[in-house]
Amino acid sequence: ETGVTQTPRHLVMGMTNKKSLKCEQHLGHNAMYWYKQSAKKPLELMFVYNFKEQTENNSVPSRFSPECPNSSHLFLHLHTLQPEDSALYLCASSQDFGTVYGYTFGSGTRLTVV
Amino acid sequence: DQQVKQNSPSLSVQEGRISILNCDYTNSMFDYFLWYKKYPAEGPTFLISISSIKDKNEDGRFTVFLNKSAKHLSLHIVPSQPGDSAVYFCAASGIQGAQKLVFGQGTRLTINP
Repeated sequence: ETGVTQTPRHLVMGMTNKKSLKCEQHLGHNAMYWYKQSAKKPLELMFVYNFKEQTENNSVPSRFSPECPNSSHLFLHLHTLQPEDSALYLCASSQDFGTVYGYTFGSGTRLTVV
Repeated sequence: DQQVKQNSPSLSVQEGRISILNCDYTNSMFDYFLWYKKYPAEGPTFLISISSIKDKNEDGRFTVFLNKSAKHLSLHIVPSQPGDSAVYFCAASGIQGAQKLVFGQGTRLTINP
């Protein structure tokens, strides 16, 4: 596979469930990002990892927990979410942290919290 | 405080005509601007960019114009084609510090046959 792959594509979960979103990039990039896209809102940056180290957490609630075991994989662990957390969660990667060249996005996970 | 704004949530244009998508920004430290295109069920893909040292960048049917004094940029698509129907996101970044992208809320473009 090439590019950035996100699984699952769709996820429905109850507020008491625990689930994880997975992102994998096959581009040899060193930085990975989680974005949230809610209806009629800008893409919101959630977390940034550079060489597996978290470099940014944009005041994201603790019910979202990221994990980056290596430069190719990024997870977003979810627990006790709220209905307003329903959104499209996008993963992206880039060659280096902060570069504006070559931000590659995955297709996203459409999350519905019931 | 939203630093990048796309004030038109949607735009409908007839096939063959020009589509103009607008974007305004508030942070004068931004010096690089990008447009991304997003189809349903897919992630955004890079379309075209412009540096603040330029006021125009053209790539085929797509042209981006930057007006630094007005803190405004626009994307022109001409002629518009049905395959251009998508959501278009404007994004900006600055050289100083982290260059992470700041996105607008997107404009849904519909090209009518």
